[in-house]
Amino acid sequence: GAGVSQTPSNKVTEKGKYVELRCDPISGHTALYWYRQSLGQGPEFLIYFQGTGAADDSGLPNDRFFAVRPEGSVSTLKIQRTERGDSAVYLCASSLRGRGYPFFGQGTRLTVV
Amino acid sequence: GQQLNQSPQSMFIQEGEDVSMNCTSSSIFNTWLWYKQDPGEGPVLLIALYKAGELTSNGRLTAQFGITRKDSFLNISASIPSDVGIYFCAGHDNYGQNFVFGPGTRLSVLP
Repeated sequence: GAGVSQTPSNKVTEKGKYVELRCDPISGHTALYWYRQSLGQGPEFLIYFQGTGAADDSGLPNDRFFAVRPEGSVSTLKIQRTERGDSAVYLCASSLRGRGYPFFGQGTRLTVV
Repeated sequence: GQQLNQSPQSMFIQEGEDVSMNCTSSSIFNTWLWYKQDPGEGPVLLIALYKAGELTSNGRLTAQFGITRKDSFLNISASIPSDVGIYFCAGHDNYGQNFVFGPGTRLSVLP
């Protein structure tokens, strides 16, 4: 597709469950970013991939969060043992090269009940 | 870590007025980006700045990269109703791999 695609657009899960959020970047973009946005705040950096490898994962809040990008295209953000505080919009972005400006998807709204 | 502050936090203006907002950083950046976010959507890039002192326009929008490399401002001229939204600045330094975002300026345009 022409833009960054994120699925699902909405996800409601019970506390303690495992969730996966998917991101399809713009074709040919080597850099991929995950951000988390809470209500009324700016996007908060989670992790950055250059190709298949995580070049910077310093924003992951704890070891319940993990992300992969096995073939250098699609990425999956995985959250184990979800907590109510994980509720937020998870944004994915991609760029043509490491320092090109990121293009964002529409986000996945995660609600943990 | 790096922190960005944006001011004002929110603003209400009349249609047709000009708008000015700014962003300041605790550290030096070598790239500044300005995004607009509508409800339920991801941020959309408005302007990218790569050099200190650079002044760049995109239609009614003008942004500048501060000469200290610790600030940037965004101006919107002759505001219209579709300018309503949240405006975010984002910055990137020589060492970080990620873009840091400010908390946003919420703009409301009154008819």
